[in-house]
Amino acid sequence: AQSVTQLGSHVSVSEGALVLLRCNYSSSVPPYLFWYVQYPNQGLQLLLKYTSAATLVKGINGFEAEFKKSETSFHLTKPSAHMRDAAEYFCAVSLFITQGGSEKLVFGKGMKLTVNP
Amino acid sequence: DAGVTQSPTHLIKTRGQQVTLRCSPKSGHDTVSWYQQALGQGPQFIFQYYEEEERQRGNFPDRFSGHQFPNYSSELNVNALLLGDSALYLCASSSARPGDREETQYFGPGTRLLVL
Repeated sequence: AQSVTQLGSHVSVSEGALVLLRCNYSSSVPPYLFWYVQYPNQGLQLLLKYTSAATLVKGINGFEAEFKKSETSFHLTKPSAHMRDAAEYFCAVSLFITQGGSEKLVFGKGMKLTVNP
Repeated sequence: DAGVTQSPTHLIKTRGQQVTLRCSPKSGHDTVSWYQQALGQGPQFIFQYYEEEERQRGNFPDRFSGHQFPNYSSELNVNALLLGDSALYLCASSSARPGDREETQYFGPGTRLLVL
């Protein structure tokens, strides 16, 4: 069964520092992978997605992620953190629903990012 | 263009009661999925509706049921509420094109349910 693992629950960085959020996946078929962000008291916003095209995926707000099949990883990075990046970040893998409809998403437990001034 | 909307934003119920949550999909979308996000956890898939039918269900008991209307809006019903049902309930919409895995799900702001 497809799944994703986000080790740890909290990452703290200084403003201007590199952001690295780790995600490892398990999938028996070529995976479609996603990163979502959730700001306090809000729903989920898509940051970026990998759908088997380019392995380096660029998303919104300066984030990018690289799909590495050999490492079964899809880590999220941003070169320079801003205060506004403070939020919770979720990695997800999609499972195709065969009876019509769309994909369903299987999420990791999330990683809370704190950005210190 | 309105995105995914959900109502109500917050809800307080007591154990044993029943609750109905509502979702209107993004314009042009015909598929609605429901997720439960417990505090400190990632969202978990409850079920998905397409063409007014439940297409797939996650690991949730029959107390959780839903409906999709001809205008593609959807309701999530939870009967016999338990304390453990307290969570943020997220609705996501997409446009189903069978065999096409490129479609993105767009999430609403959620309904926060507290069961006392």
